[in-house]
Amino acid sequence: EAGVTQFPSHSVIEKGQTVTLRCDPISGHDNLYWYRRVMGKEIKFLLHFVKESKQDESGMPNNRFLAERTGGTYSTLKVQPAELEDSGVYFCASSQVRQGEQYFGPGTRLTVT
Amino acid sequence: GDSVTQMEGPVTLSEEAFLTINCTYTATGYPSLFWYVQYPGEGLQLLLKATKADDKGSNKGFEATYRKETTSFHLEKGSVQVSDSAVYFCALSDRQGGSEKLVFGKGMKLTVNP
Repeated sequence: EAGVTQFPSHSVIEKGQTVTLRCDPISGHDNLYWYRRVMGKEIKFLLHFVKESKQDESGMPNNRFLAERTGGTYSTLKVQPAELEDSGVYFCASSQVRQGEQYFGPGTRLTVT
Repeated sequence: GDSVTQMEGPVTLSEEAFLTINCTYTATGYPSLFWYVQYPGEGLQLLLKATKADDKGSNKGFEATYRKETTSFHLEKGSVQVSDSAVYFCALSDRQGGSEKLVFGKGMKLTVNP
């Protein structure tokens, strides 16, 4: 069974540009989470989908970030326009049931220059 | 809000050394506690967990005990191997508060030399 996959693994963009990150959860997992780790700091929660619905988006830093999960399968996280402080590693995780074990992807390293 | 404080490192040990990584937490409810590990080039993996006070989680020779009186969940291993080189994250989930998010510490990079 394939694990959580994320694309791209690395992205380098200039300030003001747009970037879209993709996450494919484990097949059959209704719950999908996004987290972010800024250099030297904690991994922080961004939001949680249950199928295609946003269950909790309390961690989204501002309206430059837009997450979608059309059809309840893969999810995208768009940053528009990107700022320098958005640099970090973005992790996606999925779980089969509510409050179940979260399985993480390898992350996307985003560098904004 | 909820928070986790852990040793940050980096730490370098020789093979077969004893490992302790301290972790303390602050939570309003009764959290579940976790240790995640990230091996080079991979995603975070759940290493062990404990869901209530005095529970001991264990896996791959690692152990951690949920201590409510000291709000701690220290990770220990009696004899580390080169293959244990990774970044270790302590985390909590305060599910009684209705949230399913994980709250992480800053992570500690461990290097084990042969």
